Amino acid sequence: DPKIIQKPKYLVAVTGSEKILICEQYLGHNAMYWYRQSAKKPLEFMFSYSYQKLMDNQTASSRFQPQSSKKNHLDLQITALKPDDSATYFCASSQDRGDTQYFGPGTRLLVL
Amino acid sequence: AQKVTQTQTSISVMEKTTVTMDCVYETQDSSYFLFWYKQTASGEIVFLIRQDSYKKENATVGHYSLNFQKPKSSIGLIITATQIEDSAVYFCAMRELITGNTRKLIFGLGTTLQVQP
Repeated sequence: DPKIIQKPKYLVAVTGSEKILICEQYLGHNAMYWYRQSAKKPLEFMFSYSYQKLMDNQTASSRFQPQSSKKNHLDLQITALKPDDSATYFCASSQDRGDTQYFGPGTRLLVL
Repeated sequence: AQKVTQTQTSISVMEKTTVTMDCVYETQDSSYFLFWYKQTASGEIVFLIRQDSYKKENATVGHYSLNFQKPKSSIGLIITATQIEDSAVYFCAMRELITGNTRKLIFGLGTTLQVQP
């Protein structure tokens, strides 16, 4: 059974719209993260949460908002979508903030 | 500045041989953690192996091992007895312990490994 679930797997959106990317982990971890992978760029850290509290925000834009309704959930809301937001978004988790991070399968977002 | 560099864009090897992938990093911290992940053709990112900077012994997990050369800020990944299924993109990553964002993984651009039958 998958330990980290991301939904949807693929997402096509129009410019200016809003989407929510879902992430749930069943590893019993306390820390969760979002990363973005764009073409020809390294995986880029976006946010980290620990015990449902935002710890780090490395995104320059307020259009990206993480949301944690439960300890094992960390969704990512993206508003006013732009074509440059097209990327694969990976959720990750770790036991605590210092531990090895494990990645979900990713959500591939295409903004037209 | 924190940085991870993988200079090899792609490598092709024959099955059952040994391959080494290079990675150099830059950090101001005296303590840090180094990781190798692989990304499969389906896009899945899988954790492989980790080296803590304060440990002198090179980490080994299955047919993966590390060549950690701290004075050279280098952490090479060695895969022995390669299999077709090892074909993937391999990422080196670093996390600092003390300064900056200690939860953030900094990734290199990756090395594509192709294992030929």
